[in-house]
Amino acid sequence: NAGVTQTPKFQVLKTGQSMTLQCAQDMNHEYMSWYRQDPGMGLRLIHYSVGAGITDQGEVPNGYNVSRSTTEDFPLRLLSAAPSQTSVYFCASSYGLAGYEQYFGPGTRLTVT
Amino acid sequence: DAKTTQPTSMDCAEGRAANLPCNHSTISGNEYVYWYRQIHSQGPQYIIHGLKNNETNEMASLIITEDRKSSTLILPHATLRDTAVYYCIVRVVEAGNMLTFGGGTRLMVKP
Repeated sequence: NAGVTQTPKFQVLKTGQSMTLQCAQDMNHEYMSWYRQDPGMGLRLIHYSVGAGITDQGEVPNGYNVSRSTTEDFPLRLLSAAPSQTSVYFCASSYGLAGYEQYFGPGTRLTVT
Repeated sequence: DAKTTQPTSMDCAEGRAANLPCNHSTISGNEYVYWYRQIHSQGPQYIIHGLKNNETNEMASLIITEDRKSSTLILPHATLRDTAVYYCIVRVVEAGNMLTFGGGTRLMVKP
């Protein structure tokens, strides 16, 4: 298994540009989520999904959209990039609710100038 | 989810046990205690979790007090590769698979 994969690893955007961060998992996990981590800080939840076709907002959803058309993929879209969105983005997945460990991807390092 | 309190940083000598405390005095009965760690800039890595009983796996042991208001993660023989930020998280079952990460404890293992 490849586990959780994320692309790209690095990205530089100009203010106002849009882009999609890709996340895929091959473990048939129902639950997937996106976090951002700012320098020296803990992770903050952006959006999550409890299954294909079902998504919900986390702690910091503004400026981001998600969709979940398949179990495997959970892309994160930045609608109009802002410097405040400069961060490291992590995608995670797990089989179920409490009692199941979350698997994290390697992260995407995004800089918005 | 219950709030957790962890020391900002700790040092440990290589080969010794590292004991990382976590206070979660407002934990409710259906909340699990999870520990994750993050090495340098990698994605967080699951270590262990528990509800009431003490737990042990190949990486660590988790000791939860009887009143569940605090817990301790024990790395029995710390190595330099265990240098990381360790996060203690408590989570209610109904919240899905989302985790709320606080500041964590920065553990420095020294030779």
